[in-house]
Amino acid sequence: NAGVTQTPKFRVLKTGQSMTLLCAQDMNHEYMYWYRQDPGMGLRLIHYSVGEGTTAKGEVPDGYNVSRLKKQNFLLGLESAAPSQTSVYFCASSYDTGKGSDEQFFGPGTRLTVL
Amino acid sequence: EDKVVQSPLSLVVHEGDTVTLNCSYEVTNFRSLLWYKQEKKAPTFLFMLTSSGIEKKSGRLSSILDKKELFSILNITATQTGDSAVYLCAGKETSGSRLTFGEGTQLTVNP
Repeated sequence: NAGVTQTPKFRVLKTGQSMTLLCAQDMNHEYMYWYRQDPGMGLRLIHYSVGEGTTAKGEVPDGYNVSRLKKQNFLLGLESAAPSQTSVYFCASSYDTGKGSDEQFFGPGTRLTVL
Repeated sequence: EDKVVQSPLSLVVHEGDTVTLNCSYEVTNFRSLLWYKQEKKAPTFLFMLTSSGIEKKSGRLSSILDKKELFSILNITATQTGDSAVYLCAGKETSGSRLTFGEGTQLTVNP
C-alpha cells in the first residue's frame, strides 16, 4: 500500500498563476483533508471532505478550492496564486470516526513557492 | 473556536536527557488528543488519548491526559539524536472529523 501520496513534491509559481495539487489514498478512507504548514504555526486546515462529492471549509479556505470526484482523490486548486500562499501543503486521510481511531494519515507534502 | 497551545516552542537537550513536552487544549465537546512526530516530512502518529490518567507508552515515549485540567504531556526518556523533530499535538471534538493542531515543539537533541 502506498498510503497517501501527493503530486507534485515541489512547485514554483508566479503571482497570478494557477495550479492543482493532487492527493491520492489507497486505504479506502472516507475523510480527506488539506492543510498548510507555515513556520511556527503548526498545521492549519484549508478544506476537508467527509465523502465522495462533498467538501467543506476549514480554518483558512480563502484563495483555495477543492474537489472530491472520486473517493480516493482530493484535489486542491489555487486559481490565482499569491505570495502569501507560499507554504508546505499536506494532504491527510482518515477513517470514519465511528471506527474508533481518530488518527489522520499524512502524505509527504508539497512545497509551494509563489514569487 | 477550538484552541491548542504547546510549550515550550523549542527545546535543546543533550543525549540521555529526559524531556517533557506540554499541550493544553480548549476543545468543545472534547473527544481525544493526538500526538504526532514530524521529521522534515509528513507527521507520523504517536499516541491517541481519550481517558484521564491512563498512560500510553511506546518504548522511551509516554503520554498522559488530564481532562480536568485540560492538558497532556509527552515524555521522552534517555533522548537520542533521532528524537530530534517537531512534536505536534492536536485536539478533536466528539462531532466531526477535524483536528485542531498546536504550533508544535521543536526538539533538538545534541550528541
